[in-house]
Amino acid sequence: DTAVSQTPKYLVTQMGNDKSIKCEQNLGHDTMYWYKQDSKKFLKIMFSYNNKELIINETVPNRFSPKSPDKAHLNLHINSLELGDSAVYFCASSQPGQGVETQYFGPGTRLLVL
Amino acid sequence: KQEVTQIPAALSVPEGENLVLNCSFTDSAIYNLQWFRQDPGKGLTSLLLIQSSQREQTSGRLNASLDKSSGRSTLYIAASQPGDSATYLCAVTAYFGNEKLTFGTGTRLTIIP
Repeated sequence: DTAVSQTPKYLVTQMGNDKSIKCEQNLGHDTMYWYKQDSKKFLKIMFSYNNKELIINETVPNRFSPKSPDKAHLNLHINSLELGDSAVYFCASSQPGQGVETQYFGPGTRLLVL
Repeated sequence: KQEVTQIPAALSVPEGENLVLNCSFTDSAIYNLQWFRQDPGKGLTSLLLIQSSQREQTSGRLNASLDKSSGRSTLYIAASQPGDSATYLCAVTAYFGNEKLTFGTGTRLTIIP
């Protein structure tokens, strides 16, 4: 039973389009994250939500808008896609305050902007 | 600003050998450090987590050490197997209540049968 799932797994789209990536976790965690992994395999946090509330918002273009309808879901919507948005996007979740804040990651969504 | 570095970027060793992966971080004020394994198409898997007050953690053939004062961590893999081939990432958390991870760039490990 998948703990953190993301859809779609692959996304190929044209520049200028708007797209969304969905993330769901069935671990009952309060906190969810979006990370971007660039072509050099460098992972950087983008956003973090705790119980549907935004708590971390790194320097990310405002074309990226996270939405958390409930604490089990954190979706990422991207407007006006650019070539530089091509990357692998990872969703993760954790349960803070229990001593071991291990983050559980989804399988990643590979976005290619043409 | 915290920076995490992993050297080497890639490593190939024959099966059965013991090996060490290195991770260094610039700001020693961390809450914990994690080692992850990344397999293509499968996301990241957490291997070991060391709290800032701990010196090491062990899980099976894996042993991770932490020297917070010098800003270093190592991941020791004993008796390597082809299934250990993957990219290994270390990441640090700044402080309790901020679970944002700062990742290194990873070491791509290949175990040669």
